Amino acid sequence: EVQLVESGGGLVQPGGSLRLSCAASGFIFSNYWMSWVRQAPGKGLEWVANINQDGSDKQYVDSVKGRFTISRDNAKNSLYLQMNSLRAEDTAVYYCVFLSRGSSIDNWGQGTLVTVSS
Amino acid sequence: DVVMTQSPLSLPVTLGQPASISCRSSQSLVYTDGNTFLNWFQQRPGQSPRRLIYKVSNRDSGVPDRFSGSGSGTDFTLKISRVEAEDVGVYYCMQGTYWPWTFGQGTKVEIK
Repeated sequence: EVQLVESGGGLVQPGGSLRLSCAASGFIFSNYWMSWVRQAPGKGLEWVANINQDGSDKQYVDSVKGRFTISRDNAKNSLYLQMNSLRAEDTAVYYCVFLSRGSSIDNWGQGTLVTVSS
Repeated sequence: DVVMTQSPLSLPVTLGQPASISCRSSQSLVYTDGNTFLNWFQQRPGQSPRRLIYKVSNRDSGVPDRFSGSGSGTDFTLKISRVEAEDVGVYYCMQGTYWPWTFGQGTKVEIK
């Protein structure tokens, strides 16, 4: 059974930093692209970042480019999101996601809440 | 960025009756390899999203066959043949053809 368990969320002041982690199990982690998706309270979904299998290819939505860094450790079956220079508009539940665009693979974690407020 | 526009944004439905959600993209979602990466997600209250449909019309594993997707180019539709109580939630279309991948605003399905 695929499991994705996020951690690292919490309350942080504007301008601060936070590192999210996602522990993956139940599949061959190193074989797949991984992603982070976020959802502001009461709002819709926003795809934040993707990373390829070996970490050499990364994609970011413009709103986080230069501030967030996605990374992975295949030896630890873990995905990360380093978030710097946080803003109030980054407040959201952040989901770790593993899905395939072209086949029936779709898995989401339970999400971790990041609140940016003074 | 590709803009995804859903309608309606709110959909009250009667149990056992059909429901339909429309999604339009600001440009064609046909990828260079001929695939169209249009997805539909369901988010039940208090839960993480889950995908129902990928590549326009393919149901994900475990998705009931009352859900179906159709469309091409820039116009897509999600249909529920007979709404059940467990279908209450918010439905999102999402394009995975162009980066950044983008979602529609969401359609809230509720029981009348």
